[in-house]
Amino acid sequence: DGGITQSPKYLFRKEGQNVTLSCEQNLNHDAMYWYRQDPGQGLRLIYYSQIVNDFQKGDIAEGYSVSREKKESFPLTVTSAQKNPTAFYLCASSMFDSNTGELFFGEGSRLTVL
Amino acid sequence: AQSVAQPEDQVNVAEGNPLTVKCTYSVSGNPYLFWYVQYPNRGLQFLLKYITGDNLVKGSYGFEAEFNKSQTSFHLKKPSALVSDSALYFCAVRERSGNTGKLIFGQGTTLQVKP
Repeated sequence: DGGITQSPKYLFRKEGQNVTLSCEQNLNHDAMYWYRQDPGQGLRLIYYSQIVNDFQKGDIAEGYSVSREKKESFPLTVTSAQKNPTAFYLCASSMFDSNTGELFFGEGSRLTVL
Repeated sequence: AQSVAQPEDQVNVAEGNPLTVKCTYSVSGNPYLFWYVQYPNRGLQFLLKYITGDNLVKGSYGFEAEFNKSQTSFHLKKPSALVSDSALYFCAVRERSGNTGKLIFGQGTTLQVKP
């Protein structure tokens, strides 16, 4: 079945370590997004990519990095520079040429810093 | 600045009663409007969207939403609530102009439906 797969679902990290969250989609979507969810704050955009080998910063990009080497994949690295990384991370995708289209979301990855 | 407001952190209704989850927005022009639902520790599921045309939009699981341009609102409604509707609901908007595709989300409203 088509969809978005995020892994791992749960991840624990020690302070000072970088971690990478995986996001893979087989929907043939051009655009992919990373959002961060914190209780009571809704979803905030970290990075987005509309095409392979191109990506833009969202509202809270500091301390994060991404790559888009393949259409299907958009991994997110949470670096040690991110001061408060404990959160629920959501990956999404959509058709680039459809401004009216909804985003399709993965099941999320919960990162906890110990 | 673009923003979406969901003025209620939590809405409580009895099963069988109608429900309303409120959403107002501050975006230039006439945006595209969306509602999503999230169950605990899960991703967001799309419910419905307003693009153009009829102000009353029907979506999944019996939900509907009414677009009101003068009040810049897009409230989510359901005539008869179910206990299984209990979840976190997000309103989101996307500008018509520009072409980034990104959505701006409200902070979410927890819906609690009691038997």
